Amino acid sequence: DIVLTQSPATLSLSPGERATLSCRASQSVSSSLAWYQQKPGQAPRLLIYDASIRATGIPARFSGSGSGTAFSLTISGLEPGDFALYYCQQRSNWQWTFGQGTKVEFK
Amino acid sequence: EVQLLESGGGLVQPGGSLRLSCATSGFTFTSFAFIWVRQAPGKGLEWVSTISSNGANTYYADSVKGRFTISRDDSRNTLYLQMDSLRVEDRATYYCAKFRNDARYYYYEMDVWGQGTTVTVSS
Repeated sequence: DIVLTQSPATLSLSPGERATLSCRASQSVSSSLAWYQQKPGQAPRLLIYDASIRATGIPARFSGSGSGTAFSLTISGLEPGDFALYYCQQRSNWQWTFGQGTKVEFK
Repeated sequence: EVQLLESGGGLVQPGGSLRLSCATSGFTFTSFAFIWVRQAPGKGLEWVSTISSNGANTYYADSVKGRFTISRDDSRNTLYLQMDSLRVEDRATYYCAKFRNDARYYYYEMDVWGQGTTVTVSS
């Protein structure tokens, strides 16, 4: 199974700052990687798919990049509602895996 | 509006059973595969099971294989997860979700999620 490793575990930032989250895959997933945002008590929300395509309704301050085994999610100009948990996710050989998550918290 | 609504969670003793349901609306149910994902309290997301658009193919995480069964009722636009031989470690919020791509294409990412239903396994 492909393991996704996210870093850092926690990112402490202030509103307006830029957040860069990393996701590394133990094997290549080509560009088939998605990012989700989850707020307390809520279901995850799809942000990015195919590594860099924003899902419907996602603001342009969210951007994704990478391919193969190294991916990143950037939030340019954090807004109060962006402080949340973020997960990367992939599918390989009919097995779906998630990274362990990165928490973006108020500094 | 595309909606998924889970139900069926609750408190069950170890070794017991529960059946979760996920009622859907707002899209062509038979065109899509579906997935169950769970989240233990304070933990990350864990894939549980996936079912193909025609129900012929099912996939399970090793942690639930042989104990959980995913199914679908196309006449009711509803997804199910039968959970047997429940363990304390199965305690979690269970989410159903729809894949963004329909079954004609490669699908891996989920664009619509239910609100979740909570399963507690305790004596």
